Amino acid sequence: EPEVTQTPSHQVTQMGQEVILRCVPISNHLYFYWYRQILGQKVEFLVSFYNNEISEKSEIFDDQFSVERPDGSNFTLKIRSTKLEDSAMYFCASRGAGPLRGEQFFGPGTRLTVL
Amino acid sequence: SQELEQSPQSLIVQEGKNLTINCTSSKTLYGLYWYKQKYGEGLIFLMMLQKGGEEKSHEKITAKLDEKKQQSSLHITASQPSHAGIYLCGADIAGSARQLTFGSGTQLTVLP
Repeated sequence: EPEVTQTPSHQVTQMGQEVILRCVPISNHLYFYWYRQILGQKVEFLVSFYNNEISEKSEIFDDQFSVERPDGSNFTLKIRSTKLEDSAMYFCASRGAGPLRGEQFFGPGTRLTVL
Repeated sequence: SQELEQSPQSLIVQEGKNLTINCTSSKTLYGLYWYKQKYGEGLIFLMMLQKGGEEKSHEKITAKLDEKKQQSSLHITASQPSHAGIYLCGADIAGSARQLTFGSGTQLTVLP
């Protein structure tokens, strides 16, 4: 069964460092998403990506964040200068373009710890 | 107010008992997802509901979507310790990109 994969599973970084979180969406999917979940809190939408550009982003997704689909298979989230409050689980998701809006498939997540 | 309200926030039941978790939206629902999560871990997909009146079942878990009430319920029959965890509802309620808005979750404990 096709699945969304994410690497690394756990990333530890120092405050102020740049991190890149990687995702491989399901191959024929067209819509890609990043969400985050601070431990013990809600899952929150960060950004959606379609047709090689950002289609929507939340207030959380400020200038420190960027997304890219560099090679047609990977989908990355970059945090330019990490802060302590960026510590969270980051989930990637992808969706096809079928009728009735289609199911979003989530990856297993990357736990980011900022020290 | 929250766009997606889940209730109850936590639930403790004796093994074998039935239980229901509710998810209510303040906006029109275009799709409703139920996930299960262990604390600090990933999301396990349970079910997706897209049409008003739709009902789906998997093993002892049944979910229904009441589009008019903008509400979904998740019902577990004869609960087992393996059902314990955090149940999250996620809804497609806004945005052309159809991103999901999540509820705060319901922490379920099943006592043996």
